[in-house]
Amino acid sequence: DAMVIQNPRYQVTQFGKPVTLSCSQTLNHNVMYWYQQKSSQAPKLLFHYYDKDFNNEADTPDNFQSRRPNTSFCFLDIRSPGLGDAAMYLCATSRVMGEMTDTQYFGPGTRLTVL
Amino acid sequence: AQTVTQSQPEMSVQEAETVTLSCTYDTSESDYYLFWYKQPPSRQMILVIRQEAYKQQNATENRFSVNFQKAAKSFSLKISDSQLGDAAMYFCAYRRGASYGKLTFGQGTILTVHP
Repeated sequence: DAMVIQNPRYQVTQFGKPVTLSCSQTLNHNVMYWYQQKSSQAPKLLFHYYDKDFNNEADTPDNFQSRRPNTSFCFLDIRSPGLGDAAMYLCATSRVMGEMTDTQYFGPGTRLTVL
Repeated sequence: AQTVTQSQPEMSVQEAETVTLSCTYDTSESDYYLFWYKQPPSRQMILVIRQEAYKQQNATENRFSVNFQKAAKSFSLKISDSQLGDAAMYFCAYRRGASYGKLTFGQGTILTVHP
């Protein structure tokens, strides 16, 4: 089945130690998104890639970076995680065709713990 | 800026009964889409139903239907014949029409289904 895969599902890191979260998709969608979701809160968009074009949200901290080496993969890098970065990180994809954007499909998320 | 408000942090329903989750939004756009997403505990977010603003007819997907009141900027979700598997966090979300799929989420409503 076509899907959005996130690895690992659970990640523990130490305060200040860089960490990378991975997302892959078999849907061949041209847009990939990263959301941060803190406990019992709504997901908050960090950034998205439209093909290779990176689009950062204005309030996303510089501590968060992303890479998209090809259509299928997208990575979220947290350069120096703080305690406040502990959250669920959701990857999502969608297909954009001209003016039309299809529904977003979400991965299962990676729960990040910062010690 | 667009905002989405879900005024019910928690709702409960008896199995086989009907429940309605509320959502209001604020926008000055005329072209937009509205969504209900379901996020079961420790599982991925999935789309329940979507509504295009230009369509007057309310969307329906099996036991799920919406009451879209465009003038009132209201978008409620009705779940009929509730099942134990419907227990989840439900998010209402808004997307501007001509955007790359950026979703603005409400705060979420936790739905509990009692046997």
